[in-house]
Amino acid sequence: QQPVQSPQAVILREGEDAVINCSSSKALYSVHWYRQKHGEAPVFLMILLKGGEQKGHEKISASFNEKKQQSSLYLTASQLSYSGTYFCGTESPGGSNYKLTFGKGTLLTVNP
Amino acid sequence: NAGVTQTPKFQVLKTGQSMTLQCAQDMNHEYMSWYRQDPGMGLRLIHYSVGAGITDQGEVPNGYNVSRSTTEDFPLRLLSAAPSQTSVYFCASSYGAPLNTEAFFGQGTRLTVV
Repeated sequence: QQPVQSPQAVILREGEDAVINCSSSKALYSVHWYRQKHGEAPVFLMILLKGGEQKGHEKISASFNEKKQQSSLYLTASQLSYSGTYFCGTESPGGSNYKLTFGKGTLLTVNP
Repeated sequence: NAGVTQTPKFQVLKTGQSMTLQCAQDMNHEYMSWYRQDPGMGLRLIHYSVGAGITDQGEVPNGYNVSRSTTEDFPLRLLSAAPSQTSVYFCASSYGAPLNTEAFFGQGTRLTVV
């Protein structure tokens, strides 16, 4: 089951902030965030692990609320290069069920 | 390093034809997976593998077969192509499972079934 992302799309002016949310109906082991530019492959931004560990991007931050099964990606002082579609991916614990399931994406457009 | 290599980049098939999408990685990653991307649907998991000889189904496995005979290769087979399989297909690999490391994606295969 795909995690749910919101909003579906957001338009910013350069320098503005944005928050993208991701929620799941399942207990989560980890949350991944990726960005995809048009016509390109998704590129890793960061991973948030159960227990609070984060690995990833220097200028983009995220949070992971394990109890609520939610994560948020914070894009501050946005740059033109932040434009793209952002995907959250979730992994749920349980046996050999190491599936990374992605949401439908959030299209972020940053204008000058 | 080449990373994750997918071939072909583009393919047009007629309904009912079969074909294999190739995926190879040179990072010695144990975990590999296939996704399809359709407008408004995000990335949907087709099949995945946690190591050579082990595969499992994702969210949308119907119409697709996979096998994993080596660590490096994870081909995706379409047995009898249908127009509903028109999509962009991405292969990805990760160091291991659980997935507490980043996934590396190939550049994608754009498949059209007419």
